[in-house]
Amino acid sequence: SQQGEEDPQALSIQEGENATMNCSYKTSINNLQWYRQNSGRGLVHLILIRSNEREKHSGRLRVTLDTSKKSSSLLITASRAADTASYFCATWGGSYIPTFGRGTSLIVHP
Amino acid sequence: SQTIHQWPATLVQPVGSPLSLECTVEGTSNPNLYWYRQAAGRGLQLLFYSVGIGQISSEVPQNLSASRPQDRQFILSSKKLLLSDSGFYLCAWETGGDGNTIYFGEGSWLTVV
Repeated sequence: SQQGEEDPQALSIQEGENATMNCSYKTSINNLQWYRQNSGRGLVHLILIRSNEREKHSGRLRVTLDTSKKSSSLLITASRAADTASYFCATWGGSYIPTFGRGTSLIVHP
Repeated sequence: SQTIHQWPATLVQPVGSPLSLECTVEGTSNPNLYWYRQAAGRGLQLLFYSVGIGQISSEVPQNLSASRPQDRQFILSSKKLLLSDSGFYLCAWETGGDGNTIYFGEGSWLTVV
């Protein structure tokens, strides 16, 4: 079964709006990572948040982590059409096994 | 700097034909290597991972196999492709295990006809 699951599965917004997507996981983690995938391309690392961190920022990205609820959220502020992509969270189900959820497909309309 | 190369980018193969996808990593040593498959509009399914030369772990029993003949080379193979093998295959690497950043290749689109 998937260690991390993102929701919603799909999100459609207008340019300038904020986009929020969530990730839930099942077991204890050392850190959680978010990745972005443009259509037909490989995944690109966005941000890593450690289990002892509650919030992290990188440019227009804000990630939160609630280990008590085993959940994380990714917020993209002031979205742009170029943010259109799929977003995945990744957690580690073992020392060598990173697992990904099914992703959130984000469409930002210009 | 580290780079990862994956090829071919696209291929169309008939049912029953063999498959070989190759992945090489540059700029690092002793990486952990991974093969994922992604069906259209779906998440990533881990197929194989390797923590060293000749060490292959399979996550999903299937029609595919993997080999690591050199430290930075990871090959995905099949002797006889099935229609269900169609998908987007991604190679990835990281160092250290247990939570480091994972770097992905650009992927290989496989269509079995």
